[in-house]
Amino acid sequence: EAGVAQSPRYKIIEKRQSVAFWCNPISGHATLYWYQQILGQGPKLLIQFQNNGVVDDSQLPKDRFSAERLKGVDSTLKIQPAKLEDSAVYLCASSLQLQETQYFGPGTRLLVL
Amino acid sequence: DAKTTQPPSMDCAEGRAANLPCNHSTISGNEYVYWYRQIHSQGPQYIIHGLKNNETNEMASLIITEDRKSSTLILPHATLRDTAVYYCIVRVDTGANSKLTFGKGITLSVRP
Repeated sequence: EAGVAQSPRYKIIEKRQSVAFWCNPISGHATLYWYQQILGQGPKLLIQFQNNGVVDDSQLPKDRFSAERLKGVDSTLKIQPAKLEDSAVYLCASSLQLQETQYFGPGTRLLVL
Repeated sequence: DAKTTQPPSMDCAEGRAANLPCNHSTISGNEYVYWYRQIHSQGPQYIIHGLKNNETNEMASLIITEDRKSSTLILPHATLRDTAVYYCIVRVDTGANSKLTFGKGITLSVRP
């Protein structure tokens, strides 16, 4: 069974530019999560989808971050405009349903200069 | 905030058992204990989870105390590839929401 796929794996941008990350969850998984992991810390949940609806986006900085999962399968996370403090690894995870085990992708490493 | 506390680091010798402790004294009756690990530059990898009973799979064993206030992850025969950050997490389910709140984890170093 294929795992969670993410692209790109690495991205370098300048501050005030925009960037987008893509995630394809495990086939059949209804719940999708985006996490941010700053160096030296554990991952922090940004947003959680159940199919194409948002379950929890309380930790998402909505002035610059947005995410969508229009068809209830793959998802994109966008940052516009990026700040230096957005440098981090962005992880996508999926689970069969809410309250099930989450499986993580390899992450996208973002560096904002 | 994470509902768990872990020592920052530990080490063990290759081939020996690694016993990773975790305290979760405020855990509620229906909250699961999860363990993930993260090898450098990779995403977190699911290891095991449990509610009340001890659990074992091909990767590890999870021992949960009777009062559920602490648990231990056991890697029975540690190898150099087990060097990683190990996260003990209490999964909090509230209504339609389900959250894993990661702490800083424990860095396990396996020495030859």
